[in-house]
Amino acid sequence: DQQVKQNSPSLSVQEGRISILNCDYTNSMFDYFLWYKKYPAEGPTFLISISSIKDKNEDGRFTVFLNKSAKHLSLHIVPSQPGDSAVYFCAARGGSNYKLTFGKGTLLTVNP
Amino acid sequence: NAGVTQTPKFQVLKTGQSMTLQCAQDMNHEYMSWYRQDPGMGLRLIHYSVGAGITDQGEVPNGYNVSRSTTEDFPLRLLSAAPSQTSVYFCASREGQGRDEQFFGPGTRLTVL
Repeated sequence: DQQVKQNSPSLSVQEGRISILNCDYTNSMFDYFLWYKKYPAEGPTFLISISSIKDKNEDGRFTVFLNKSAKHLSLHIVPSQPGDSAVYFCAARGGSNYKLTFGKGTLLTVNP
Repeated sequence: NAGVTQTPKFQVLKTGQSMTLQCAQDMNHEYMSWYRQDPGMGLRLIHYSVGAGITDQGEVPNGYNVSRSTTEDFPLRLLSAAPSQTSVYFCASREGQGRDEQFFGPGTRLTVL
């Protein structure tokens, strides 16, 4: 049973436009959500996170939105740059549980 | 700081062979984890440790052993390699409870023939 779902395996956008990556979850106990970015042949790197007590968190060009009632979060990248081309993983954890549950990832391609 | 380091970067094994994937971190992090990444499967947790001497199973522990004798090191052992263990393995560490930013190593690409 997949508790964190990223239903779009890939997304292609033009440079300068907005990229929106989506993530859905099923476990109501999840209270902290993270996005990781991964380039080929490298380990994932932390991008941005959000606690369930918030509905938005912003860091420069990156904004994460959380809709708890819909169990949905999204990552917005504005403006998108070619260097943003990577695989983006959504991850979640619940309560005192240390474990992070990851989605399958979305490959973002930003075209010049 | 070197962060999280993993060796080797690449490894080819024959079915039935054993080996140890090394992981070390120099950030004095309490928590360390091993993940595997397979095409279309995302990152799946194999084993994790919340401190020296303490380890526990993740989502896909079968075929793997771990130990944590020091804060810095968290090796992953494959006792008898199988083709199903062909994957990219990532080690990660994090400061402690409440700090969810995990730092990942560069990965080890393992092929089992």
